[in-house]
Amino acid sequence: GQQVMQIPQYQHVQEGEDFTTYCNSSTTLSNIQWYKQRPGGHPVFLIQLVKSGEVKKQKRLTFQFGEAKKNSSLHITATQTTDVGTYFCAGSAGNMLTFGGGTRLMVKP
Amino acid sequence: DAGVTQSPTHLIKTRGQQVTLRCSPKSGHDTVSWYQQALGQGPQFIFQYYEEEERQRGNFPDRFSGHQFPNYSSELNVNALLLGDSALYLCASSLGPSASTDTQYFGPGTRLTVL
Repeated sequence: GQQVMQIPQYQHVQEGEDFTTYCNSSTTLSNIQWYKQRPGGHPVFLIQLVKSGEVKKQKRLTFQFGEAKKNSSLHITATQTTDVGTYFCAGSAGNMLTFGGGTRLMVKP
Repeated sequence: DAGVTQSPTHLIKTRGQQVTLRCSPKSGHDTVSWYQQALGQGPQFIFQYYEEEERQRGNFPDRFSGHQFPNYSSELNVNALLLGDSALYLCASSLGPSASTDTQYFGPGTRLTVL
């Protein structure tokens, strides 16, 4: 079945540094979605990418979808302590989402 | 506008028991999906209900079953609980069953502990 992998598993950064998480799928995806889960919270939808090579920005966050629609990345510029949490990518196939294992971001003030 | 609600918040059961978790979707949504999230891992898809029918199922045994009511709310039942069933159970609602086009909104989850 479909597998979605994320790296790194953990990332410690100093506040103000940049952060990137990478997502790879074993199969071509219809789309990729990104979620953020704060400690003790639930996943919150951030964005959906549909087109090959698509790039979307939300303030300091930049999301990319690979040309082959099998990989994606999330880049955060100048991290802040409010960015702390686990970032998940999720690929869709039919009616189900397959989540990656997530990247836990920790930011030192 | 109420978001997705789940009950109970926390639950402690012993091995072999049965449990029922409940979910009310976001207002206007007609589709409910259930996920299991073990500690430190990503959510895993259990199944989805749309028009009161199970539309798609992930790789979970028959001990996991569900139901959707005419008001679109849903229940997740787990029989013969195992220690490994301890997890956060998340409900997500959407307007329509397609994960490709319909944004899913997650509820706060039910934390199940099996002793």
